[in-house]
Amino acid sequence: RKEVEQDPGPFNVPEGATVAFNCTYSNSASQSFFWYRQDCRKEPKLLMSVYSSGNEDGRFTAQLNRASQYISLLIRDSKLSDSATYLCVVNTRDNYGQNFVFGPGTRLSVLP
Amino acid sequence: NAGVTQTPKFQVLKTGQSMTLQCAQDMNHNSMYWYRQDPGMGLRLIYYSASEGTTDKGEVPNGYNVSRLNKREFSLRLESAAPSQTSVYFCASSEQTDQPQHFGDGTRLSIL
Repeated sequence: RKEVEQDPGPFNVPEGATVAFNCTYSNSASQSFFWYRQDCRKEPKLLMSVYSSGNEDGRFTAQLNRASQYISLLIRDSKLSDSATYLCVVNTRDNYGQNFVFGPGTRLSVLP
Repeated sequence: NAGVTQTPKFQVLKTGQSMTLQCAQDMNHNSMYWYRQDPGMGLRLIYYSASEGTTDKGEVPNGYNVSRLNKREFSLRLESAAPSQTSVYFCASSEQTDQPQHFGDGTRLSIL
């Protein structure tokens, strides 16, 4: 089982739609979690950190379920500019050091 | 404010050649990282430096060496380039290892 898995995608949605991405992680010792977005041939950019209590930033809502080892990202009222690949990132510290694991990403295309 | 700067942006090498990828950050971050990104593989951590004076292996360190020259700079060296090292290389930095990372623009490296 891969350490971090995401919905395979791609997701093609119309403007204004609500879309949800899921991410699961295998290491129960994981400590911090993030969502990044990456545009084609560009660097990843932080979208939001994910906190245990859940957090919201405008149209974006992130949730963490430690018991199920599951993270989600909800995008409301999708815009054309939301088209990108969304990366789930899990950070774990163990006896071997720090391990940052990026999921493979889920591609979103918002259609006019 | 430049953030994370990588040089060069593009490079073509022949098998067996060596080269060093440069990375510098101006955000006074303690931690720095090198990743590679291949199609269908997502981002994979090569090496990281939790703080000035320390370096540690990531998921895919073989064939690479790193130097944390000072707090600002973290270089990645390929001693004898192989075609399997053709990839896009990203440098990143963060305040501490459990904090969000900020990425450079990337270096597109092709090895013939």
